[in-house]
Amino acid sequence: GIQVEQSPPDLILQEGANSTLRCNFSDSVNNLQWFHQNPWGQLINLFYIPSGTKQNGRLSATTVATERYSLLYISSSQTTDSGVYFCAVVVRGATNKLIFGTGTLLAVQP
Amino acid sequence: DAGVIQSPRHEVTEMGQEVTLRCKPISGHDYLFWYRQTMMRGLELLIYFNNNVPIDDSGMPEDRFSAKMPNASFSTLKIQPSEPRDSAVYFCASSGRVGKLFFGSGTQLSVL
Repeated sequence: GIQVEQSPPDLILQEGANSTLRCNFSDSVNNLQWFHQNPWGQLINLFYIPSGTKQNGRLSATTVATERYSLLYISSSQTTDSGVYFCAVVVRGATNKLIFGTGTLLAVQP
Repeated sequence: DAGVIQSPRHEVTEMGQEVTLRCKPISGHDYLFWYRQTMMRGLELLIYFNNNVPIDDSGMPEDRFSAKMPNASFSTLKIQPSEPRDSAVYFCASSGRVGKLFFGSGTQLSVL
């Protein structure tokens, strides 16, 4: 099956710093989404981004489907950004079946 | 909309007991997913439905696990009999045709 690898696995930042999280996938995909799991366990959908670039406040994401990767940018990080960031993909031909990566654990320190 | 609603939020049970988890998807969504999250295995897709019909149950770990979706607004995941290794957080999620996925708050299951 498809492999979804995220890097780095862990990241510690000081408040105000910027960061880039990466998601690599091993097969062609129809659909890619980024999620944030907060320290209370809630999973929030950040972006639906099968290709191109989107921005939402301090967060932005870029997917280059032809090269099989996606990037999530966090600017001016805040302590509330802490948690685990997951990317998830749908393999081409597998309708809406989202497969999750292993995640990046982010800790933003004050 | 209230979002995806799961119940119970926490369930503690003894080995061998039957466990039933419940989910109400977002109104109008025609896809429903059950995921399990553990430290060792991450987020695993167990089963998903489209228009109340199971499409892919290849992630269901054993025959002890079963899922149903009797109508568009309700689904259950049942474990019978439960075992300690079933302890995990179980998430329900739903999406519309576009595929943007929305999760419920999860059920923390502990099997003693």
